[in-house]
Amino acid sequence: SQQGEEDPQALSIQEGENATMNCSYKTSINNLQWYRQNSGRGLVHLILIRSNEREKHSGRLRVTLDTSKKSSSLLITASRAADTASYFCATPIDNYGQNFVFGPGTRLSVLP
Amino acid sequence: EPEVTQTPSHQVTQMGQEVILRCVPISNHLYFYWYRQILGQKVEFLVSFYNNEISEKSEIFDDQFSVERPDGSNFTLKIRSTKLEDSAMYFCASRTGFSGNTIYFGEGSWLTVV
Repeated sequence: SQQGEEDPQALSIQEGENATMNCSYKTSINNLQWYRQNSGRGLVHLILIRSNEREKHSGRLRVTLDTSKKSSSLLITASRAADTASYFCATPIDNYGQNFVFGPGTRLSVLP
Repeated sequence: EPEVTQTPSHQVTQMGQEVILRCVPISNHLYFYWYRQILGQKVEFLVSFYNNEISEKSEIFDDQFSVERPDGSNFTLKIRSTKLEDSAMYFCASRTGFSGNTIYFGEGSWLTVV
């Protein structure tokens, strides 16, 4: 079944550094979404990127999508301690893009 | 900003008891979802609901689970006879009817089965 897999599983960086997380998936998609989850909290939507887009920005976030490699990356620039969280990519499990599954996530720790 | 709300935020129940988790999706949304996350594990898809019926369900969503939209605003997940392994955070989510639009999640309901 369709599933995104993030890597690395865990990432620890210093405040001010950039953090890059990757997501790979198996079959064709029409969009991919990135979410953030603080420990014990709900999922917060970050960015949705469609299959005809190669890059999207939102503040300090930059998402790329390479459909030929079936991969996406999330870059957080100038990281802050408050960026410490788990980051997940969500990919559709059908061709209609109606239902999504999540990868296991990347646990990001930003050290002050 | 509109949000998905869930109740209760935390519930402790005895094994074998029935549990109902409630959700109020965003009002103009048409697709509704339940996901769960066992502590320390990934977010797992349970079921999606559209036009008053289940549109997709995972292997996890067996006969012990059911969903309902009893009125125009609530969306519920019922676990008929809870097991210890049902202990998890359950997330409700919703989105508009347009394909590929953002899914908005609630804060979750922690279910602890003892």
